[in-house]
Amino acid sequence: GEDVEQSLFLSVREGDSSVINCTYTDSSSTYLYWYKQEPGAGLQLLTYIFSNMDMKQDQRLTVLLNKKDKHLSLRIADTQTGDSAIYFCAESNNAGNMLTFGGGTRLMVKP
Amino acid sequence: NAGVTQTPKFQVLKTGQSMTLQCAQDMNHEYMSWYRQDPGMGLRLIHYSVGAGITDQGEVPNGYNVSRSTTEDFPLRLLSAAPSQTSVYFCASSYRDQGFREQFFGPGTRLTVL
Repeated sequence: GEDVEQSLFLSVREGDSSVINCTYTDSSSTYLYWYKQEPGAGLQLLTYIFSNMDMKQDQRLTVLLNKKDKHLSLRIADTQTGDSAIYFCAESNNAGNMLTFGGGTRLMVKP
Repeated sequence: NAGVTQTPKFQVLKTGQSMTLQCAQDMNHEYMSWYRQDPGMGLRLIHYSVGAGITDQGEVPNGYNVSRSTTEDFPLRLLSAAPSQTSVYFCASSYRDQGFREQFFGPGTRLTVL
């Protein structure tokens, strides 16, 4: 079945860039997603990328997709303390009716 | 719009008890789903529905039942609670033709089974 892997933890200083990485196994995924979860809250969709793209930029967020290596990354420029949260990557199946999530990366931003 | 609402926020059950977690959305979304979130495991899909009267199993459906009698509501029933069902449960909804590109999550229900 599908498997999505992420590193557990990332710590950066305020103002630096953060890069959160994700690997996935389902080569038929049409879309890949990044979600943010703040403490005690549900998930918030941050951005997504279509599988035929290799980069998408949205303000401070840059998503890079290497389809050959099945590697997805999320870069947050000028990271702020408000960016501290858990970040999940997810892939949708070919039918578009199921999402498979990674285990989440906890981002800690130090002042 | 209230978005996706879930009740209760917290619940403690004894092993063997049954209960229903409520989920409602007021965005006229066709697609609704239930996930459970366990530490270090991300979210796992329990059941989903692509419209009223249609439900299907996700990755971890055992021990849970769902029904979708209206577009707005998608309750999740625990038939006989077990400690392994201690988790945080999230409901989500989206338009079917948008896939998950406009998916909204509820605030979650934290369930403890003793």
